[in-house]
Amino acid sequence: KAGVTQTPRYLIKTRGQQVTLSCSPISGHRSVSWYQQTPGQGLQFLFEYFSETQRNKGNFPGRFSGRQFSNSRSEMNVSTLELGDSALYLCASSSGLNYGYTFGSGTRLTVV
Amino acid sequence: AQKITQTQPGMFVQEKEAVTLDCTYDTSDQSYGLFWYKQPSSGEMIFLIYQGSYDEQNATEGRYSLNFQKARKSANLVISASQLGDSAMYFCAMREGNSGGYQKVTFGIGTKLQVIP
Repeated sequence: KAGVTQTPRYLIKTRGQQVTLSCSPISGHRSVSWYQQTPGQGLQFLFEYFSETQRNKGNFPGRFSGRQFSNSRSEMNVSTLELGDSALYLCASSSGLNYGYTFGSGTRLTVV
Repeated sequence: AQKITQTQPGMFVQEKEAVTLDCTYDTSDQSYGLFWYKQPSSGEMIFLIYQGSYDEQNATEGRYSLNFQKARKSANLVISASQLGDSAMYFCAMREGNSGGYQKVTFGIGTKLQVIP
C-alpha cells in the first residue's frame, strides 16, 4: 500500500510569506503528526491530529497551525515566515498507540 | 530534564560487527512506548523497532533488538552483523500518553552511525 505522501518535496519562500504543506497518511491511519527537523534542534514535535481533532501541540508559536480533513489528510500552515523556519518538515501517520509512526519523505523548506 | 537522551553523537563500527546505540529516557507515565528510527541521508525516517513499557521480553526485528532495562530507564538498540547500508542517523523516541487519546512522542537528538568496510 502507498506510504505517507508529503507535498511539495522542496519549497523556497521569502521572509514574511506564508506556506502550506500537505500530508496524505497511509490509508486507514487516522493519526497524523508533524515534526520540524533542524540540525541544531533535532526533531521537534509540532502537533498531532486524530479524526480531525488536534490532540496535542508542541511549543511552537501561533504562526504554526494545522488541520486534518475527514479523509485524514492533513495540512500544516506557517504564516509570516522567518529565516529560522527553514527546516525539514516531516509528517508521520500511525494506526495505533503501539505501532511505530510511518514517516513521509518530508518537505524541505528554505526561507530566504 | 531531557525526555530522551542519546549520549553518542557519532559511532563507528566495522562491517559484520555488532553495535549498541544508547538511549535513556525519563517519564512518570506507567504506560509508554519506545521506538527506534533510522534516517539515511535521503531524509526519510524508517521505523525499526518498538518496545512497550509492559512488554516483558526485549523486542527483536531481524538484526535489530532493543535492550530494555526498565529500572535503569534505558532502551538501547543493538544492531547485529552491521552492513554498509546501516550507515545513517538513528533516533530513539518515546511515546507517552494513554488510550484515551492523549499521545506525545519525543525524539532524541540522534546518533550518527558509520559502518566501515
